[in-house]
Amino acid sequence: QKEVEQNSGPLSVPEGAIASLNCTYSDRGSQSFFWYRQYSGKSPELIMSIYSNGDKEDGRFTAQLNKASQYVSLLIRDSQPSDSATYLCAALRNTGFQKLVFGTGTRLLVSP
Amino acid sequence: DVKVTQSSRYLVKRTGEKVFLECVQDMDHENMFWYRQDPGLGLRLIYFSYDVKMKEKGDIPEGYSVSREKKERFSLILESASTNQTSMYLCASSPPPGNTGELFFGEGSRLTVL
Repeated sequence: QKEVEQNSGPLSVPEGAIASLNCTYSDRGSQSFFWYRQYSGKSPELIMSIYSNGDKEDGRFTAQLNKASQYVSLLIRDSQPSDSATYLCAALRNTGFQKLVFGTGTRLLVSP
Repeated sequence: DVKVTQSSRYLVKRTGEKVFLECVQDMDHENMFWYRQDPGLGLRLIYFSYDVKMKEKGDIPEGYSVSREKKERFSLILESASTNQTSMYLCASSPPPGNTGELFFGEGSRLTVL
């Protein structure tokens, strides 16, 4: 079982719709979670972090965390074609020096 | 803005060659990391360093070594390149304290080993 699991997609949504990206993790000791966006041919960039149960909103992005279910999600409202990218979920492993473990990413395609 | 610069965007090497991948960051970050990224496997941590001359193994250190002689520079070394080391290599840095999970990545070095 991978430590951080994501559906590879692609997830296709029309412009203006809500895109919902999901992630599960196996290490119950993980306390901090992150979403990185990676455009094709580019390196990942951090877009959201979440540390406690519930929702965290930043503009069109909402991160959700449910530690009991070991589940993290990212909602993108009013999706734009420029949101088309691969979204990487990551968990900070809480053993010794904390290591960031990434999922394999979900590819999002937003069609005009 | 934080800038993480990797010396080579594309490299082609032959099996058995020694390969150096260089990474420099300009934000005085203490923590630096080397990941490789492969389709279907995602980003995997090779080595990291939390201080000058300090290094720690990540999840897949076999076949690699690192050097951190100066705070801003973190080098990844493939002592004897093999075809299974063909990959995209990503360097990252993060501000203290510890590993906050906020990584700043370089543009990547795509290595092909023939």
